[in-house]
Amino acid sequence: GESVGLHLPTLSVQEGDNSIINCAYSNSASDYFIWYKQESGKGPQFIIDIRSNMDKRQGQRVTVLLNKTVKHLSLQIAATQPGDSAVYFCAETSMIKAAGNKLTFGGGTRVLVKP
Amino acid sequence: DAGVTQSPTHLIKTRGQQVTLRCSPKSGHDTVSWYQQALGQGPQFIFQYYEEEERQRGNFPDRFSGHQFPNYSSELNVNALLLGDSALYLCASSDRRGRRETQYFGPGTRLLVL
Repeated sequence: GESVGLHLPTLSVQEGDNSIINCAYSNSASDYFIWYKQESGKGPQFIIDIRSNMDKRQGQRVTVLLNKTVKHLSLQIAATQPGDSAVYFCAETSMIKAAGNKLTFGGGTRVLVKP
Repeated sequence: DAGVTQSPTHLIKTRGQQVTLRCSPKSGHDTVSWYQQALGQGPQFIFQYYEEEERQRGNFPDRFSGHQFPNYSSELNVNALLLGDSALYLCASSDRRGRRETQYFGPGTRLLVL
């Protein structure tokens, strides 16, 4: 993914509403995808992952959708809470041993939850 | 169960100096990856260590080097610091031997080069 510099796309959402964050990935050989949440001054925190043999995976209040045809990933957060305010990154990698598992990150989306 | 830890938390250096950053992986993890995150951008992969060897490297110059110790902890060294090296340096660990490839990140070291 391409970074977008200092001006991260921002999603403003009302507390209690659902949030949808989108990500386009670049490598058709990628077969493992992860969403991370990064709060100010902290390292990325694992949210949910999905392998390429699936198109949907659900966690607690979060759902990840994978569309391999158009190389698109989305993260849905249900009933968004103030604590969900953060920057969200998608990351892609290949699970093939020879390729290693370096993560390639997208540019990130800032989520602001309005009370 | 301790997560990934990094030291120091913050560091200020001047151009031309050298710096060493340290990382202890999550308990049970054997692989350490290092990333550089410039302000407002996503992390960029520097390199990865497994079984005390560099296994994969990103597009970073030789000024960036590393090491992994028998206890799986790791160091990142940067020589001849440039202003552009100012960034958050993140360490992530994973369990390659157990085939659990999810990478978990530490809090990072914020490096400022003046």
